[in-house]
Amino acid sequence: GAGVSQSPSNKVTEKGKDVELRCDPISGHTALYWYRQSLGQGLEFLIYFQGNSAPDKSGLPSDRFSAERTGGSVSTLTIQRTQQEDSAVYLCASSFNNQVRGGNEQFFGPGTRLTVL
Amino acid sequence: SQQGEEDPQALSIQEGENATMNCSYKTSINNLQWYRQNSGRGLVHLILIRSNEREKHSGRLRVTLDTSKKSSSLLITASRAADTASYFCATAFPQGGSEKLVFGKGTKLTVNP
Repeated sequence: GAGVSQSPSNKVTEKGKDVELRCDPISGHTALYWYRQSLGQGLEFLIYFQGNSAPDKSGLPSDRFSAERTGGSVSTLTIQRTQQEDSAVYLCASSFNNQVRGGNEQFFGPGTRLTVL
Repeated sequence: SQQGEEDPQALSIQEGENATMNCSYKTSINNLQWYRQNSGRGLVHLILIRSNEREKHSGRLRVTLDTSKKSSSLLITASRAADTASYFCATAFPQGGSEKLVFGKGTKLTVNP
């Protein structure tokens, strides 16, 4: 595909259930990021993967949140025992090379809107 | 916090006018990027300015960076109704040998036809 894709586009779940969100980055991009955006707010960094390095998990809000990236490509973000405050749009982004000083733009997927009832 | 802060939070102008949005940050950066978001979904990269650059242009966009004041501005000239969106600045700073982006809360721009 030409861009970053995410699935599902919308997810409604009940409090206490687990959810999995999927991200397919652009082929060849070594860096992958997850962000969370609450209504009317900016992006909150959650986690990022860079190649085979250990992921930077510093933004995960609690141990209910985890993510993995298999084979350096597809990533899944898992939220266990969801709470109402987890309701937000979860955005995934990828970039070509995050280790080059001078910067690389991030390409965003359309997001998954999660609603926890 | 190293988060960029945009100013104003909301801006409403008439078509044809110029729109200026500002971003301030707190620590040294590698570069600063501006993104646009429509309807609360995915963001689109607009422009990147490196820490050793002072001004950059792309079409109707003009970005300035003042590292002494730790601030940047995004100017959209001759605005159009289609420019209506939220605009975010993102500061890139080194972390653990690589680079991390931190986004501000955004400026919501409305261009009235």
